[in-house]
Amino acid sequence: EVQLVESGGGLVQPGGSLRLSCAASGFTFSSYWMHWVRQVPGKGLVWVSRINPDGSSTFYADSVKGRFTISRDNARSTLYLQMNSLRAEDTAVYYCVRDLIAADSSYWGQGTLVTVSS
Amino acid sequence: QSALTQPASVSGSPGQSITISCTGTSSDVGGYKYVSWYQQHPGKAPKLMIYDVSNRPSGVSNRFSGSKSGNTASLTISGLQAEDEADYYCNSHTSSSTVIFGGGTKLTVL
Repeated sequence: EVQLVESGGGLVQPGGSLRLSCAASGFTFSSYWMHWVRQVPGKGLVWVSRINPDGSSTFYADSVKGRFTISRDNARSTLYLQMNSLRAEDTAVYYCVRDLIAADSSYWGQGTLVTVSS
Repeated sequence: QSALTQPASVSGSPGQSITISCTGTSSDVGGYKYVSWYQQHPGKAPKLMIYDVSNRPSGVSNRFSGSKSGNTASLTISGLQAEDEADYYCNSHTSSSTVIFGGGTKLTVL
């Protein structure tokens, strides 16, 4: 069974940093593109970033480019999102996703809440 | 990049059909076959309902169908049921190799 478990969310002050992790199991992690998607409670889904299977290619939404870094450790089957220079508007639930697009199945974690506030 | 354009809300009675549109540009929806639709119930993770414009994942009811014309993709739900009441989101691959979502549509079953 595919499982994605996010961790690392919490309360952080504006300008601060946080690293999210997503532990994957039940599939060959190193074979899949992985994504981060965020959602302000009560609002819509917003794509954040994606990374290719070997970690050599990454893409970001304009709103986080230069502040967030996606990475992965295939040996540990873990996806990361390093978030720096956090702003209030980064407050959201962050989901780790396998197969967000161009696939006949999609797997989402339960999400981890990031709150940026002083 | 702005979100794909979806109606904020749609509604229909049980048994009826509804269609949700998702409008983008030639750099996203119009340029690729990689449009997906997700259903999200409150407090739950999104569920894939349609992929690659018009394909249904295994286990998804055939009451759900997708199509595309130009820069606009559409999700049609026929034979509306109470359990279809949820938020629906489209997304698309883009020419920048990113992904873009629609703003979401709240479906109310009257």
